[in-house]
Amino acid sequence: EAGVVQSPRYKIIEKKQPVAFWCNPISGHNTLYWYRQNLGQGPELLIRYENEEAVDDSQLPKDRFSAERLKGVDSTLKIQPAELGDSAVYLCASSAQYTGELFFGEGSRLTVL
Amino acid sequence: SQQGEEDPQALSIQEGENATMNCSYKTSINNLQWYRQNSGRGLVHLILIRSNEREKHSGRLRVTLDTSKKSSSLLITASRAADTASYFCATVVNQAGTALIFGKGTTLSVSS
Repeated sequence: EAGVVQSPRYKIIEKKQPVAFWCNPISGHNTLYWYRQNLGQGPELLIRYENEEAVDDSQLPKDRFSAERLKGVDSTLKIQPAELGDSAVYLCASSAQYTGELFFGEGSRLTVL
Repeated sequence: SQQGEEDPQALSIQEGENATMNCSYKTSINNLQWYRQNSGRGLVHLILIRSNEREKHSGRLRVTLDTSKKSSSLLITASRAADTASYFCATVVNQAGTALIFGKGTTLSVSS
C-alpha cells in the first residue's frame, strides 16, 4: 500500500512569489495534517482536517497561508506571498483517527531567497 | 507552542550501548507517541503509550510513562549505527480538537 505522497520534494523560490504543496494521504485516512518543521526543531502543526473540514487551524498564518482538502482526500497548502522566514520543510501526515499513529510523507523542502 | 520537551538534545554513544531519551510535557494527555526521523526524511512512528499504561515494549524499544511526573522515557537497547536519527515525543492532549504536538527532539548518534 502506498504511503503518504507529497510533491514537490524541493522548491526554491524568490520572496514574494507564490508556492503550493500537494499531499495525497493514505487511502481511507480521514484525518490529514500539515506540519512545518524548521531546521533542528520538531514539527509544528499548521492545520488538521477531518475529511473536508479544517478542525484545527489556529497556527496557520492566514494572511499568507491557505489550505484546502477537496473531496476529503488530497490536500494543497499554499503560501502567497512567500517570505524568507517561510523556508522550512512542510510535512503532510494522515491518520485513521486523530488520537492515533500518524503516517508522514517525505516532506517538501522550501527555500525562499 | 510545543507541549513536549526532550532531554538530552543530543546523545552520542557506541554501538551496543543503550540509549535513553526523556520527554516531559505540560498538560494531561490522551496518549504519548515516539517518532524517529532520519536526516532529510519524514517521521516514522515507533510506539504509542496510552495514559493508563505505564510501560510498553516493541523489539529493542522500551517506553515508560509517568503521568504523575508528566514524563516519558524511550530506551533503545543494544544500539546500532542504523539507529542514528532524531527522536521526537509527541502528545495528544485531552482537550478536544487538539492534534498531536511534537517536542524539539533528541539527536542520537551511534558510532561503530
